[in-house]
Amino acid sequence: QQPVQSPQAVILREGEDAVINCSSSKALYSVHWYRQKHGEAPVFLMILLKGGEQKGHDKISASFNEKKQQSSLYLTASQLSYSGTYFCGTEGAHAGGTSYGKLTFGQGTILTVHP
Amino acid sequence: KAGVTQTPRYLIKTRGQQVTLSCSPISGHRSVSWYQQTPGQGLQFLFEYFSETQRNKGNFPGRFSGRQFSNSRSEMNVSTLELGDSALYLCASSLPGQGTETQYFGPGTRLLVL
Repeated sequence: QQPVQSPQAVILREGEDAVINCSSSKALYSVHWYRQKHGEAPVFLMILLKGGEQKGHDKISASFNEKKQQSSLYLTASQLSYSGTYFCGTEGAHAGGTSYGKLTFGQGTILTVHP
Repeated sequence: KAGVTQTPRYLIKTRGQQVTLSCSPISGHRSVSWYQQTPGQGLQFLFEYFSETQRNKGNFPGRFSGRQFSNSRSEMNVSTLELGDSALYLCASSLPGQGTETQYFGPGTRLLVL
């Protein structure tokens, strides 16, 4: 089942912050975040594994709440280069905790950063 | 390392025809996944191949099929094309792990069905 991303779109000015949420109705093994610029392939940002970890990459970080089956992507002090569509990909977990082995992507969040 | 390559990049077909798309993974990657991307449906998982075997499959009709060769290169075939098959087809390669490892996407093949 497809995870739900919110908001669907967000418009920022350079330097502003944004949060993109990803929510699943099923138990998760991991959450993957990708960014896709118009006309280009999705580019990997980070993976978060079950265990409630948080990761950061430059001014982009993410958290994963395994119990709530939710992940959030935090973009701080946004730059023009952050513009694009952000996708979360969720990897389901079996009852025993093992992975389903495939990613299901959300609909995407369109992020636009203006000067 | 060279990235994931896909050929052709653009394709125009008519309804009823069939099409074969090709994907060459990053050297050393043995898992290849295929996705269909459309404005309305987003990124939809088609199937994943590892060591020449289909390991996972999405919810697509049997007209969509794939295979993987011993060198990890993969092909995807769509038979009896329909207008709704117009989409960007992306393949992604990864190193196999316990779960789904980082997926490295190719530039995609844009298919237009007339």
